[in-house]
Amino acid sequence: DAKTTQPNSMESNEEEPVHLPCNHSTISGTDYIHWYRQLPSQGPEYVIHGLTSNVNNRMASLAIAEDRKSSTLILHRATLRDAAVYYCIPGSIQGAQKLVFGQGTRLTINP
Amino acid sequence: DVKVTQSSRYLVKRTGEKVFLECVQDMDHENMFWYRQDPGLGLRLIYFSYDVKMKEKGDIPEGYSVSREKKERFSLILESASTNQTSMYLCASRSGQNTGELFFGEGSRLTVL
Repeated sequence: DAKTTQPNSMESNEEEPVHLPCNHSTISGTDYIHWYRQLPSQGPEYVIHGLTSNVNNRMASLAIAEDRKSSTLILHRATLRDAAVYYCIPGSIQGAQKLVFGQGTRLTINP
Repeated sequence: DVKVTQSSRYLVKRTGEKVFLECVQDMDHENMFWYRQDPGLGLRLIYFSYDVKMKEKGDIPEGYSVSREKKERFSLILESASTNQTSMYLCASRSGQNTGELFFGEGSRLTVL
């Protein structure tokens, strides 16, 4: 399993963009980069995933470095509801393959 | 709306009791997973199943067993609960179509006294 490094915590203000970094220097060539988040008292929920190109969806954008050793999750305009633990997970896209969750980054949003 | 449902949000059991944690998904997913989550340790995989009656050990299977008799249901069994199994248990499912997304239930918080 590829090792990941994320900041333990980050803080931002409501309605401002947030950039959550992740280093995954040992990622294999076929692994995707998955991002999940966990709101208080809930199970994790999917945010976004990508392989090489940058990806956008209604929740966030994912910027992947050209060498794929790092990525950044971008929340374009944070709301209080975005306060959560964010997990960056290199892993297979295949359904039968496990995803290994690390410690993640605890994001605090200030009103 | 797609759903993974865990039978109990909160349980309190005594040491030595047999405990069943049930998980049902309505998305016809082939793959189902049981994780436990503890402060400072993150989510750790206990067991997973990629088909009915099939199971694979995860990273911490000791003290647990699982059952998958039907595609939609994946049960985690603690044969003889111990206090170190007090934890949050999370069930998840994932399609076999390589779409990538893992769907989680809300979790079951188990306290063993």
